[in-house]
Amino acid sequence: QVQLKESGPGLVQPSQTLSLTCTVSGFSLTSYHVSWVRQPPGKGLEWMGVIWTGGSTAYNSLLKSRLSISRDISKSQVFLKMNSLQTEDTATYYCARSGYTYWGQGVMVTVSS
Amino acid sequence: DVVMTQTPPSLSVAIGQSVSISCKSSQSLVYSDGKTYLHWLLQSSGRSPKRLIYQVSNLDSGVPDRFSGTGSQKDFTLKISRVEAKDLGVYYCAQTTHFPNTFGAGTKLELK
Repeated sequence: QVQLKESGPGLVQPSQTLSLTCTVSGFSLTSYHVSWVRQPPGKGLEWMGVIWTGGSTAYNSLLKSRLSISRDISKSQVFLKMNSLQTEDTATYYCARSGYTYWGQGVMVTVSS
Repeated sequence: DVVMTQTPPSLSVAIGQSVSISCKSSQSLVYSDGKTYLHWLLQSSGRSPKRLIYQVSNLDSGVPDRFSGTGSQKDFTLKISRVEAKDLGVYYCAQTTHFPNTFGAGTKLELK
């Protein structure tokens, strides 16, 4: 069955780089695109970016200068890297399959020294 | 960016009642292929969002027909008939017609 699972550090220091992995199963990254969405505590959802089936990417303009999304098809993994983290980047980070049909469980990331 | 305005921000409901949630977009959500990529999601407490309805009115697999979606262009509504306890949580509308994708601020459905 279709599954997505995020993994990564729960705590990141300010100004450091966040690296997250979304491991998918039950579908191919060449058939469905994957988006990253984040949710600050108690707040709503923010689309961050997407990696398309062909490997190209698109980013939220507010994050574009800090964000990079890539993938490893052979490992069925999508990667998120975001630099210069600040406290306002504290959030639960989700990966989701195209059309938001399936979501991962999310990973809570706290930015704090 | 397309702004999604959801109302009301919260709803108190008794089990068995019906409720409606409105979602209005700042631009038409009709894509060049003629389809409208407006979806409804439910996030139950402590859980990931789950899509209930896609492209305005299509129920995802396993979603009871107590849920219905209507609307066009810039004005959309989610209706829940005969609310059950498992329907409680935060409902979001989401558009994937335009980039960046955007979400409504959410409507919290809670028990009266």
